[in-house]
Amino acid sequence: AQTVTQSQPEMSVQEAETVTLSCTYDTSESNYYLFWYKQPPSRQMILVIRQEAYKQQNATENRFSVNFQKAAKSFSLKISDSQLGDTAMYFCAFMKSPSYDKVIFGPGTSLSVIP
Amino acid sequence: DTEVTQTPKHLVMGMTNKKSLKCEQHMGHRAMYWYKQKAKKPPELMFVYSYEKLSINESVPSRFSPECPNSSLLNLHLHALQPEDSALYLCASSQGGQGGNEKLFFGSGTQLSVL
Repeated sequence: AQTVTQSQPEMSVQEAETVTLSCTYDTSESNYYLFWYKQPPSRQMILVIRQEAYKQQNATENRFSVNFQKAAKSFSLKISDSQLGDTAMYFCAFMKSPSYDKVIFGPGTSLSVIP
Repeated sequence: DTEVTQTPKHLVMGMTNKKSLKCEQHMGHRAMYWYKQKAKKPPELMFVYSYEKLSINESVPSRFSPECPNSSLLNLHLHALQPEDSALYLCASSQGGQGGNEKLFFGSGTQLSVL
């Protein structure tokens, strides 16, 4: 069975600074996807960034980038130039490939951006 | 159209009521999901439908009854709920299969209160 762990329940960062959120996972699958989802106070789940396990290159989306270490089963999220709108719960998630299966979420990290 | 639409947004019901939650997507996705989420916790998977067939039931009590009338619609029928069932109910969809572009698209959720 797959598990996803986020060891930082809460974090804070000053506006315009950089912060890194940690995620580790456990799986015996060789093909899978990893995601970071953001859930602001509105509770809408928003996809931040996505990584396919077979791709060596780390995914980037504007101010968001990941450090994907497949052998170490680590998938951290770096947020650069933090903005007040980044304040949210961040969930790391795992999906097998091919899908039609459950998506496993980590327990979440509550990020506060301080003005 | 890249939206998953959930109705209603809020629902208050008594323990003897029968109500239904509705979810709709027009992205041609073949997998649809129901998640339950308590405050400050990750989403917990309830059901997965793939190609309109129930593929995963995470041992959900029978007072929750899912239905997938067609490839675009997903319902969750509620009957004789308990106060502890109060939560945010999230619907999601994904392309499914080996399309290589897998991710979950979430609706904005139904906030359910059981009195």
